[in-house]
Amino acid sequence: DIQLTQSPSTLSASVGDTVSITCRASQTINTWVAWHQQKPGKAPKLLIYRASNLQSGVPPRFSGSGSGTEFTLTISGLQPEDFATYYCQQYKSPPWTFGRGTNVEI
Amino acid sequence: QLQLQESGPGLVRPSETLSLTCTVSGGSISNGDYFWDWLRLSPGRGLEWIGSINQWGTTYYNPSLQSRVIISAATSKNQFSLELMSVTATDTGLYFCARDPQNPRGLIDQWGQGTRVTVSS
Repeated sequence: DIQLTQSPSTLSASVGDTVSITCRASQTINTWVAWHQQKPGKAPKLLIYRASNLQSGVPPRFSGSGSGTEFTLTISGLQPEDFATYYCQQYKSPPWTFGRGTNVEI
Repeated sequence: QLQLQESGPGLVRPSETLSLTCTVSGGSISNGDYFWDWLRLSPGRGLEWIGSINQWGTTYYNPSLQSRVIISAATSKNQFSLELMSVTATDTGLYFCARDPQNPRGLIDQWGQGTRVTVSS
């Protein structure tokens, strides 16, 4: 299975900050990476696919970059509704796997 | 817009079978463009893909769970289901159903909100 190592596990930030989350893959996955946001009691939400493509309806303050084995999710200008847990996911080869998550907290 | 809603018992006894159903609204599971997936989130294993099914009943399972899992679909009810057999405490978690495009496979683009399952006597 392809392992995804996500860091940091917790990130403390303030409204208006720009933050970045890193995801490293155990083998090359080209750009077959997605980023998901999860809030307690709510359905997770796809933010980014193919490493850098913004899902329809997602605010442009979210951006993704990377290829190969290293990927980054950046949130530029944190908003109150962005405090949540973020997961990277690979869909290069099954079984599809996820990082352990980054909790973005106030 | 598409919505997925999980349902089923919140408590399952060890060694028994966990059974969940996902009801899809705002779209049809007979749509040949998608797979329909189950995933779970647990403290010990994080987010884990369990398996998927398409409109023709073709299934794919995570090898780590394959011996204990059955995913099926009831297209007339627009539902698909998960059965996980011989559960233990490590199967406790938040279970999600989700949509997964056939091209490319594996990109989870719509999620249900999840249902919590506890395995305990």
